[in-house]
Amino acid sequence: EAQVTQNPRYLITVTGKKLTVTCSQNMNHEYMSWYRQDPGLGLRQIYYSMNVEVTDKGDVPEGYKVSRKEKRNFPLILESPSPNQTSLYFCASSPPRGGNEQFFGPGTRLTVL
Amino acid sequence: DAKTTQPNSMESNEEEPVHLPCNHSTISGTDYIHWYRQLPSQGPEYVIHGLTSNVNNRMASLAIAEDRKSSTLILHRATLRDAAVYYCTAIPYNNNDMRFGAGTRLTVKP
Repeated sequence: EAQVTQNPRYLITVTGKKLTVTCSQNMNHEYMSWYRQDPGLGLRQIYYSMNVEVTDKGDVPEGYKVSRKEKRNFPLILESPSPNQTSLYFCASSPPRGGNEQFFGPGTRLTVL
Repeated sequence: DAKTTQPNSMESNEEEPVHLPCNHSTISGTDYIHWYRQLPSQGPEYVIHGLTSNVNNRMASLAIAEDRKSSTLILHRATLRDAAVYYCTAIPYNNNDMRFGAGTRLTVKP
């Protein structure tokens, strides 16, 4: 089954404790991206990647890192999480061009205390 | 990136058609128009997309204005399961970089 998986689905952590949210897709997609969703602010893009070893900032990249060492994986790294990074995070993947459907993961709900 | 404008909310009765409008007056000639929806407690899911011509699929129809400055998502017979936030977005042809606006919250009444 074609899918985007995210782990963990739920995470409660404390300020400053490094964490990684994994994202994996099984569709051989070149394009992957991360979004965060907050009440009243909608979905905002954090980072995206057009292919392996190619990443770029979205609209809200501060406090986040990403890497794209393999085509299928696009982890989101929070080196020193802060409470303002408490949010619902979504990973997405698609073929590279604009005429293609994007597939979204189920989301990761992160709480930073 | 082209900015999109949608009504904040709309209501529909079950089994009636719904027309969800989107304005994208700054769209470039090579941007695709995509629609996604987000059901409660789920990630966004693809609904339909098009470039210039109207499009139909099993979920919905997309009517694109001749000048491409607006489009309408048509749900032919709304069901309670169609209650969601619907997002319209314009995506460049040479990448799939998608930005979301606030979307339209569709309520379907039995």
